[in-house]
Amino acid sequence: RKEVEQDPGPFNVPEGATVAFNCTYSNSASQSFFWYRQDCRKEPKLLMSVYSSGNEDGRFTAQLNRASQYISLLIRDSKLSDSATYLCVVNLSPSGGYQKVTFGTGTKLQVIP
Amino acid sequence: GAGVSQSPSNKVTEKGKDVELRCDPISGHTALYWYRQSLGQGLEFLIYFQGNSAPDKSGLPSDRFSAERTGGSVSTLTIQRTQQEDSAVYLCASSLVGQEGPQHFGDGTRLSIL
Repeated sequence: RKEVEQDPGPFNVPEGATVAFNCTYSNSASQSFFWYRQDCRKEPKLLMSVYSSGNEDGRFTAQLNRASQYISLLIRDSKLSDSATYLCVVNLSPSGGYQKVTFGTGTKLQVIP
Repeated sequence: GAGVSQSPSNKVTEKGKDVELRCDPISGHTALYWYRQSLGQGLEFLIYFQGNSAPDKSGLPSDRFSAERTGGSVSTLTIQRTQQEDSAVYLCASSLVGQEGPQHFGDGTRLSIL
């Protein structure tokens, strides 16, 4: 089983739609989680951290389900500019501040006019 | 500058040549990562530096690849005897350690081996 798994998509959705992505992780000791966005031929950029209680930033909502070992990203009222690849990131800090960061391979979103 | 800086932005070289890529992390970030990404593919972890600890080199694909980080700041990734399959975008990221902080990426170096 991969450490971090995402559905590669693509998810093709009309403008204004709501879309959700899930990301599963294999190590139950994982401690911090993030969603990144990567535009074509650009570097990944942090979209939002994912907190245990769930968190929202405008049209974006992130949730963590530790029992089932997945995180989710919900995008409401999709815009054309949301078209990108969304990367799930899982951080495990086993000891002494050392970090093991694993990126998923990403879910591609295409918002259609 | 405020962000992670990488140079050069683009590098075209002939097969068999050595190349050196540079990364200047965000000031104060003690963790530094190198990744590579081929077109349409996910990020491939290469190496991770944290402070003065021994680096995690587990992602380096062959002994032609090496990296160092001098003075806990600037890092260079060296590829010797380049091959065509080394063509990719090489991304550097840095983060704060101890706060499990997110990584911040540079713009990358696009490497093309002819």
